[in-house]
Amino acid sequence: AQTVTQSQPEMSVQEAETVTLSCTYDTSESDYYLFWYKQPPSRQMILVIRQEAYKQQNATENRFSVNFQKAAKSFSLKISDSQLGDAAMYFCAYRSAEGSSNTGKLIFGQGTTLQVKP
Amino acid sequence: KAGVTQTPRYLIKTRGQQVTLSCSPISGHRSVSWYQQTPGQGLQFLFEYFSETQRNKGNFPGRFSGRQFSNSRSEMNVSTLELGDSALYLCASSRQITDTQYFGPGTRLTVL
Repeated sequence: AQTVTQSQPEMSVQEAETVTLSCTYDTSESDYYLFWYKQPPSRQMILVIRQEAYKQQNATENRFSVNFQKAAKSFSLKISDSQLGDAAMYFCAYRSAEGSSNTGKLIFGQGTTLQVKP
Repeated sequence: KAGVTQTPRYLIKTRGQQVTLSCSPISGHRSVSWYQQTPGQGLQFLFEYFSETQRNKGNFPGRFSGRQFSNSRSEMNVSTLELGDSALYLCASSRQITDTQYFGPGTRLTVL
């Protein structure tokens, strides 16, 4: 079975600085997807970024980028130029690729609460 | 395009009662998944539906059930509520099973 681990329960960053959130996962599958979701106090889960395992290039969305290390099974999220609105809980998630019976199931890590200090 | 909607947003029930939660996916999305979020267990997968068929079910007791209608709207039902069922229930939809899931705002269920 696949597992996702986020070892940092809480992180803090100064506004305008850069912060990196860690995520590791365990799987025997060769093809899969990885995601970072953000959950602000409003509780609405928002997609931040998505990475396909077969793509070596790291995904980037504006100030958000990932460092995907497939061999090490590591998927960290870097937030540049942090803003007050980035304060939220961040979840790393894994999903099997097409062809698996678990394709529609997201497996989440425990989450990292990010505090942004003005 | 409207996002995923969930009704009701808040519910208070007592032990032993049953509850039905509703989820309307983004227009054109045919896959709906449900998750339970609690402080202790985190986010756990409940069910996944595609074209009115349950494709996958998480490790939850039979008191938890669901269904999907021909318009892709989905409902989940919890019977004989227990205190431990208090949680935020999140619904997510995607166009196809392999596509990215987009979440609704959730239904906060409190069991007294």
